[in-house]
Amino acid sequence: QVQLVESGGGVVQPGRSLRLSCAASGFTFSNDGMHWVRQAPGKGLAWVAAIWYDGSNKYYADYVKGRFTISRDNSKNTLYLQMNSLRAEDTAVYYCARELIGAAGTAYFAQWGQGTLVTVSS
Amino acid sequence: DIQLTQSPSSLSASVGDRVTITCRASQSIRNYLNWYQQKPGKAPKVLIYAASSLQSGVPSRFSGSGSGTDFTLTISSLQPEDFATYYCQQTYSMPWTFGQGTKVEIK
Repeated sequence: QVQLVESGGGVVQPGRSLRLSCAASGFTFSNDGMHWVRQAPGKGLAWVAAIWYDGSNKYYADYVKGRFTISRDNSKNTLYLQMNSLRAEDTAVYYCARELIGAAGTAYFAQWGQGTLVTVSS
Repeated sequence: DIQLTQSPSSLSASVGDRVTITCRASQSIRNYLNWYQQKPGKAPKVLIYAASSLQSGVPSRFSGSGSGTDFTLTISSLQPEDFATYYCQQTYSMPWTFGQGTKVEIK
């Protein structure tokens, strides 16, 4: 079955960096777009970044543009999120999600990982 | 960016009730609208995609409708396991955005 397992979260000081990983299994990773979504404590879902199946295109939310970098290694079935210049407001659970295109031609998040908590605090 | 506004933000309902949640987009998104359910401490799970397509394995008491700017998620007969927070999401244009969520609580 499809599995997405995030890792790399933890407590980090403001201004420092962290790299999250998402290990995928149970599907052909290199066929699908992948995303990061975050959820601050007690708040709603916020899309963070996306990467095409082959890594050729990347998209970012304005609030992380220039600080975060999404990447993937299709030979390792792994998605990454490099987070630099972290701020207190980046504190959240970070989820990776697999994008699928339905029969109607629209995209949705078919599977999600369990999430990894990033806490930015001095 | 496309804004999604859900209403209500929260509701109290009883088992067996019919529940309707609405999602309004700030511009037309055709049928590029998905609904997710999230329980406390868990990842979200897709219920409805393309506005009205039921995801495999999701009970048929869930249904979605709408197109353009106005969408609805309906639970025909609320079950104990349906108490959760529900989010709409548009995938019409980047950045993909979510509604603020609707928390369904037990009356």
